Amino acid sequence: EPEVTQTPSHQVTQMGQEVILRCVPISNHLYFYWYRQILGQKVEFLVSFYNNEISEKSEIFDDQFSVERPDGSNFTLKIRSTKLEDSAMYFCATADPTNLYEQYFGPGTRLTVT
Amino acid sequence: AQSVTQLGSHVSVSEGALVLLRCNYSSSVPPYLFWYVQYPNQGLQLLLKYTTGATLVKGINGFEAEFKKSETSFHLTKPSAHMSDAAEYFCAVSEITNAGKSTFGDGTTLTVKP
Repeated sequence: EPEVTQTPSHQVTQMGQEVILRCVPISNHLYFYWYRQILGQKVEFLVSFYNNEISEKSEIFDDQFSVERPDGSNFTLKIRSTKLEDSAMYFCATADPTNLYEQYFGPGTRLTVT
Repeated sequence: AQSVTQLGSHVSVSEGALVLLRCNYSSSVPPYLFWYVQYPNQGLQLLLKYTTGATLVKGINGFEAEFKKSETSFHLTKPSAHMSDAAEYFCAVSEITNAGKSTFGDGTTLTVKP
């Protein structure tokens, strides 16, 4: 069964550093999403991305965050200058445009900011 | 705007007993509804989903849920709990008009006692 993959599985970084989280979507999927889950809390929507542009973003997704699909395969989330409160699990999800509501989630990247 | 309320942040049942996890939603358009399970330090696994058609949906691991429009509910049930069902459960709603963005509830931690 096709699956979404994410790298790295765990990233530790110092406050103020830039991090890039990577996601490889299922091959025919064209809608991409990032979600965040702070430890012990619910999953929160960050951003959706389609046709090389952001479709929607939440208030969490401020100027420190950016997304892109640099090589037509990977889908990345960049945090420019990490803060302690960015520590969380970050999930990528992707969807087939003919079946938009069925998102496939990756295993997540645990980001720890120290 | 869409939202999800999960009643009961913690539910404890005995092994073999009925599992009932409650979810109420709010949506301005016909919703798509999901239940996900999350085991400690792992990603999100889709248990079941409702899109259209039959209101009683069956998922993996013996779980099922019933969409009740009049009650705006999508409660998750399982006739007989197993120890392996102990996990965090999230209800989510998605609207096709929001490019498939999902909104999650706060989650319910299910404990199964021997």
